[in-house]
Amino acid sequence: DIQMTQSPSSVSASVGDRVTITCRASQFISSWLAWYQQKPGKAPKLLIYAASSLQSGVPSRFSGSGSGTDFTLTISSLQPDDFATYYCQQAHSFPLTFGGGTKVEIK
Amino acid sequence: QVQLVQSGAEVRKPGASVKVSCKPSGYTFTDYYMHWVRQAPGQGLEWMGWINPKSGGTNYAQKFQGRVTMTSDTSISTAYMELSRLRFDDTAVYYCARWYCSSTSCSEDYWGLGTLVTVSS
Repeated sequence: DIQMTQSPSSVSASVGDRVTITCRASQFISSWLAWYQQKPGKAPKLLIYAASSLQSGVPSRFSGSGSGTDFTLTISSLQPDDFATYYCQQAHSFPLTFGGGTKVEIK
Repeated sequence: QVQLVQSGAEVRKPGASVKVSCKPSGYTFTDYYMHWVRQAPGQGLEWMGWINPKSGGTNYAQKFQGRVTMTSDTSISTAYMELSRLRFDDTAVYYCARWYCSSTSCSEDYWGLGTLVTVSS
């Protein structure tokens, strides 16, 4: 199985800050990576697919980059609605696997 | 608009089985695979498997092989996930999610609200 390692596991930030979350795959996955946002008590929401493509309706302050084994999710200017947990997921091969999550908290 | 409506919360005893349903709307049910993902309290996301609603074909994560059965009823456009021989650590929210693939990628683009399954004696 492909292991997905996210860092950091949590980050404290203020509104307006730039936040970067990284995700590393244990083997080559090309651009078969998605990012999800999850708020407490809610289902995950797709933000980014194919490593860097923004899902329809997602604000442009979210961006994704990377290919191969190393990936990044960036929030350019953190907004109050962005405080949540973020997960990466590899879609290269089954079983699909998720990173452990990064909780973005208010500083 | 696409929606996935899941069945309500369930409580089961250890050793019992539970069957969760997922009824999508807003698209043709047989055009997309359906995935199931679970999340234990305070934990991360865990992929369980998929079903092709058109053919009934399935692919399960090895961890759940022998205990999980995913089915679909095309006459009522509903997918099901049944987990048997329940253990306390199967307590989790179970999500269904549509699997969308383009030419360059795949992702779980729409999710149900989740079904809480509690295993308690």
